[in-house]
Amino acid sequence: DAKTTQPPSMDCAEGRAANLPCNHSTISGNEYVYWYRQIHSQGPQYIIHGLKNNETNEMASLIITEDRKSSTLILPHATLRDTAVYYCIVRPRSNDYKLSFGAGTTVTVRA
Amino acid sequence: NAGVTQTPKFRVLKTGQSMTLLCAQDMNHEYMYWYRQDPGMGLRLIHYSVGEGTTAKGEVPDGYNVSRLKKQNFLLGLESAAPSQTSVYFCASRRDGSYEQYFGPGTRLTVT
Repeated sequence: DAKTTQPPSMDCAEGRAANLPCNHSTISGNEYVYWYRQIHSQGPQYIIHGLKNNETNEMASLIITEDRKSSTLILPHATLRDTAVYYCIVRPRSNDYKLSFGAGTTVTVRA
Repeated sequence: NAGVTQTPKFRVLKTGQSMTLLCAQDMNHEYMYWYRQDPGMGLRLIHYSVGEGTTAKGEVPDGYNVSRLKKQNFLLGLESAAPSQTSVYFCASRRDGSYEQYFGPGTRLTVT
């Protein structure tokens, strides 16, 4: 599986967009990029995923570079409830769909 | 729907004791997973199941056993607890064909 690199922490102002980078330079053609987040002491929550096209849902947008070596998760209007650890995961699509979580990025949204 | 529930929420064991953690889901999902999370780290997969009656090893299976006798339940057993198994345990489930795993609230286990 491709390794991902994320900054350990970042701050964001409430109401502003939060842009979370993820580097996955060794990603292969059949691997998807998934984003989950974990609010303190809770189980992780799925946010979004993509293969090569940009994706948007009600929670966030995912921008994947053309060479697929990096991606950015965008929270368009961060709120205090978005304070969490955000995990970028690269995995091939397979029947068992096992996930491997790294240390993630701790995002703190400040009022 | 209750989603994914885990029992118990907290437990303290002495070294050598045994216990079973229960994960239940009411979404009729085929896939279920057990993860552990140590302080300051991401989740690591212990065991998983692709359907009733099946189980498979994950990344860190040693010291744990699992069973999936019913589709809605996935049990994680510790036969002889060790301090190294002090962790927060998360269960997750997934519908076949879906990308999304649904996680439970976790069980905080301390082994002294």
